Amino acid sequence: AQRVTQPEKLLSVFKGAPVELKCNYSYSGSPELFWYVQYSRQRLQLLLRHISRESIKGFTADLNKGETSFHLKKPFAQEEDSAMYYCALYFGNEKLTFGTGTRLTIIP
Amino acid sequence: DTEVTQTPKHLVMGMTNKKSLKCEQHMGHRAMYWYKQKAKKPPELMFVYSYEKLSINESVPSRFSPECPNSSLLNLHLHALQPEDSALYLCASRGASGGTGELFFGEGSRLTVL
Repeated sequence: AQRVTQPEKLLSVFKGAPVELKCNYSYSGSPELFWYVQYSRQRLQLLLRHISRESIKGFTADLNKGETSFHLKKPFAQEEDSAMYYCALYFGNEKLTFGTGTRLTIIP
Repeated sequence: DTEVTQTPKHLVMGMTNKKSLKCEQHMGHRAMYWYKQKAKKPPELMFVYSYEKLSINESVPSRFSPECPNSSLLNLHLHALQPEDSALYLCASRGASGGTGELFFGEGSRLTVL
């Protein structure tokens, strides 16, 4: 069965410290994975996609097919990074399925 | 225009009312989505329209009725809802056919059923 797992519901990190949000997936095909972010009172928006291998707002994520993971990382957390983060898996048949989400709080 | 626009932003309705949620995009996207999001939960897929045809219905109760009048518009008709249907309803669109799964989301319509 296709599934996206985010083991941490809540994560608190001090400003300037490294951040890692975990995401594991279960999918028998070739996955297309995304990180979406939802800032307070704002719409859900794309942060990263594994295909582009780009860095947005200092965040990076590498697809590890061996470990079936797509963890989100940032070396130095900033206060404006506080938000809800969702890992999402696209099945290629129009379905985008979200993980349960991790609420990241940056402590000043 | 690179936005998905949803109206109304807030809606309060009784269990016997009939109302509609509307969604509009002018990015030329050919797939449009309805998601339901309860508080502190991830969005749950309800319906997908592809090229104006319903392609996915995630076993949603018939009191929710989607409609896609044209490639830019998506409606969700509501009738005889229950209090547990109170949630944020998100519309999204997707551009690339057969390709990337990047979705563009609206701000949502917050529905309260009394």
